[in-house]
Amino acid sequence: GAVVSQHPSWVICKSGTSVKIECRSLDFQATTMFWYRQFPKQSLMLMATSNEGSKATYEQGVEKDKFLINHASLTLSTLTVTSAHPEDSSFYICSATTGVGNTIYFGEGSWLTVV
Amino acid sequence: DAKTTQPPSMDCAEGRAANLPCNHSTISGNEYVYWYRQIHSQGPQYIIHGLKNNETNEMASLIITEDRKSSTLILPHATLRDTAVYYCIVRGYNTDKLIFGTGTRLQVFP
Repeated sequence: GAVVSQHPSWVICKSGTSVKIECRSLDFQATTMFWYRQFPKQSLMLMATSNEGSKATYEQGVEKDKFLINHASLTLSTLTVTSAHPEDSSFYICSATTGVGNTIYFGEGSWLTVV
Repeated sequence: DAKTTQPPSMDCAEGRAANLPCNHSTISGNEYVYWYRQIHSQGPQYIIHGLKNNETNEMASLIITEDRKSSTLILPHATLRDTAVYYCIVRGYNTDKLIFGTGTRLQVFP
């Protein structure tokens, strides 16, 4: 299957700082990428949808100024958690697809711990 | 998006078939049934999807009832590595989003 890679796999940052997580589609061009967060023992919650070259569409209740998403190329999307706080500590997962109706593939996830 | 209902947990003996049910009684005619699984602390893994016909691949089989209101994912010979949370998701043909429910936690025991 198609490969989606995230970096870093885990990161620890201080409260108040910003942290960036990258999501890359390694062997296909992803016109659309998605970002999820997952708290322990809970399901995945969709945060936003990003299409290459355009602004991300955020789900209701997700702060767009806090979770900055950039999808500058067909193989890379980034999520920046700005002014991180301990409650932002979570498992962040991206996914990607080549287009509407096509299979969506997920990255390995990135653990964020804010101390 | 149509919602799905899955049992919260199931057990299966290693080597036996694991049959995971999913109800999607409000599914529309152009909506697909997708199955993903998530092994602990990893991203979800695509398993299989279907519209109305039964589907089979190297990982599993998907049986969709004739009225499309329910489906069953079959892992023919479960192994310990199949222990995971399995998500059944209904997705519209013209929709990119995958909205996850609570899934079924499958525990395969020796």
